[in-house]
Amino acid sequence: QVQLVQSGAEVKKPGASVKVSCKASGYTFTRHYIHWVRQAPGQGLEWMGIMNPSGGSPNYAQKFQGRVRMTGDTSTTTVYMELSSLRSEDTAVYYCARENSSGWTRFDPWGQGTLVTVSS
Amino acid sequence: QSALTQPASVSGSPGQSITISCTGTSSDVGNYNYVSWYQQHPDKAPKLIIYDVSYRPSGVSNRFSGSKSGNTASLTISGLQAEDEADYYCNSYTSSSVVIFGGGTKLTVL
Repeated sequence: QVQLVQSGAEVKKPGASVKVSCKASGYTFTRHYIHWVRQAPGQGLEWMGIMNPSGGSPNYAQKFQGRVRMTGDTSTTTVYMELSSLRSEDTAVYYCARENSSGWTRFDPWGQGTLVTVSS
Repeated sequence: QSALTQPASVSGSPGQSITISCTGTSSDVGNYNYVSWYQQHPDKAPKLIIYDVSYRPSGVSNRFSGSKSGNTASLTISGLQAEDEADYYCNSYTSSSVVIFGGGTKLTVL
């Protein structure tokens, strides 16, 4: 079955970077874009960006421009989201999700989420 | 880009119907039929329940339905069940080629 499995929880200090992985299986990796979404504790969902695992420039939310980098490795069917210059407000669960349409809003399935805690 | 506007909470009794609204602008909800809805239970990943305004993915109950009028999309849940108690989020494609989410609605089944 189609599945996205994310890497484990991370604890980082302010100013550091974090790299979260998302391994895809059960479908042709290069045929579907991948979104990254985060959710701060007790808060709503926040879209971070979308990337094409086949290559090309990702599309990032303006809020994260210059601080986020989304990449993919077709040999391991894994995508990565790296967020730099971490601050306490970046403490959140980070999700990857597969896109299923040309309209960029059909997120299915989602990864299980990766908790990133930023604390000194 | 501002978030889509959803009511913070709604409630209903078992068997009743409820509707959750999702209001945007002519640059997002009003201009595209790319609106989806997600259900999220506590400490779980969101689950897609409606896409492209009114389509249900395979396996989603037909008690869930979606619609749109102007800049507002709506999710209706009929025949409320205890298991429907969750947070619900809408999202939309925008003219800036980004995706925005609503702030989320907590559904309580009384």
